[in-house]
Amino acid sequence: RKEVEQDPGPFNVPEGATVAFNCTYSNSASQSFFWYRQDCRKEPKLLMSVYSSGNEDGRFTAQLNRASQYISLLIRDSKLSDSATYLCAVRQRTYKYIFGTGTRLKVLA
Amino acid sequence: EAQVTQNPRYLITVTGKKLTVTCSQNMNHEYMSWYRQDPGLGLRQIYYSMNVEVTDKGDVPEGYKVSRKEKRNFPLILESPSPNQTSLYFCASSLSSSVSNNEQFFGPGTRLTVL
Repeated sequence: RKEVEQDPGPFNVPEGATVAFNCTYSNSASQSFFWYRQDCRKEPKLLMSVYSSGNEDGRFTAQLNRASQYISLLIRDSKLSDSATYLCAVRQRTYKYIFGTGTRLKVLA
Repeated sequence: EAQVTQNPRYLITVTGKKLTVTCSQNMNHEYMSWYRQDPGLGLRQIYYSMNVEVTDKGDVPEGYKVSRKEKRNFPLILESPSPNQTSLYFCASSLSSSVSNNEQFFGPGTRLTVL
């Protein structure tokens, strides 16, 4: 089993739709959690860190469920510009980072 | 401008010819890391460094070496490259390893082909 797993997609959604991604992790001692966005094999860029209490940034909401060992990302009112690959990342106690393979999102006009 | 730079951006080489990919950051970051990205396998950490002279193995360190003699630089060395090291490589840095939610800033990537 992979340490961090994501559904690769692609998720094809119409503009304005709400879409949700999940990411599961296997190491219960994982310390920090992140969502990154990556466009067309360019460098990943941080979308948001994920906190236990959940956090929101505009149309994006991230949540962490430690009991079930998953993090989620919700995108509301999808825009064409949201089309990208979304990577979840987990930092271990050892300061190693484990990334998921990414979920591809395509927002259709 | 705050950034992570990598050189070269593209490299085609042959099996066994030693090469170095440089990485430099100008943000005074303590933590630096190297990743490779392959289709279907995602980003995998090769090595990381929590500070000068402190390095540790990530998930896929075989065939790679690193050094951290100065805070700003973290070169990746392939002593004897092989075709299975053909990949897209990213260097990243973050402010401190001790702060849990530090953002990692990534360089633009180096596309390496080993023939």
